[in-house]
Amino acid sequence: EAGVAQSPRYKIIEKRQSVAFWCNPISGHATLYWYQQILGQGPKLLIQFQNNGVVDDSQLPKDRFSAERLKGVDSTLKIQPAKLEDSAVYLCASSLRGGGPNTGELFFGEGSRLTVL
Amino acid sequence: AQKVTQAQTEISVVEKEDVTLDCVYETRDTTYYLFWYKQPPSGELVFLIRRNSFDEQNEISGRYSWNFQKSTSSFNFTITASQVVDSAVYFCALSEAGYNQGGKLIFGQGTELSVKP
Repeated sequence: EAGVAQSPRYKIIEKRQSVAFWCNPISGHATLYWYQQILGQGPKLLIQFQNNGVVDDSQLPKDRFSAERLKGVDSTLKIQPAKLEDSAVYLCASSLRGGGPNTGELFFGEGSRLTVL
Repeated sequence: AQKVTQAQTEISVVEKEDVTLDCVYETRDTTYYLFWYKQPPSGELVFLIRRNSFDEQNEISGRYSWNFQKSTSSFNFTITASQVVDSAVYFCALSEAGYNQGGKLIFGQGTELSVKP
């Protein structure tokens, strides 16, 4: 079974530029998450989708971050304009659904490492 | 507010030693879930275990064991006879139990375990 795919693995940009990350979840997984992991810290949830609807985006800095999940499969996360403090690894994860017997059992991708100069 | 604290930032042991990773959590919810995830150098987090707040039974899986104590709000993880392959960053996490809330994980800062041959 293929895992969660993310691209690009690495991206270096200057502040005020824009960047987009792509995620393809495990086939059949209804719930998709974007987490931000700053160096030396645990991941923090940015946004959660159930199919193509947003369940929780309370921690997404909406003035600069946006995300979409068209057709309930792939997702993109965009940052525009980037700030220095956005330097982090952006992790995509998926699960069968947000609750139920598999609660909290998320499958993560390898992440996209962003460096903002 | 929910919070997870992993006081040990780094632990270094020699192969075959036993090691315990500490996790203390805070929550006002009476129903919640606790987790441990492993993050190897490749970057993707790997689910290890889930515990709900009503199940305080300790669990053992091979060389891994978990001790959940509600009285001290702790969920500690012990690796017996550690191996070099256990070297990774380990995260403890907490989530609410409501519908679609299970994937909104609150992570601790992580403990980097280094097992030397």
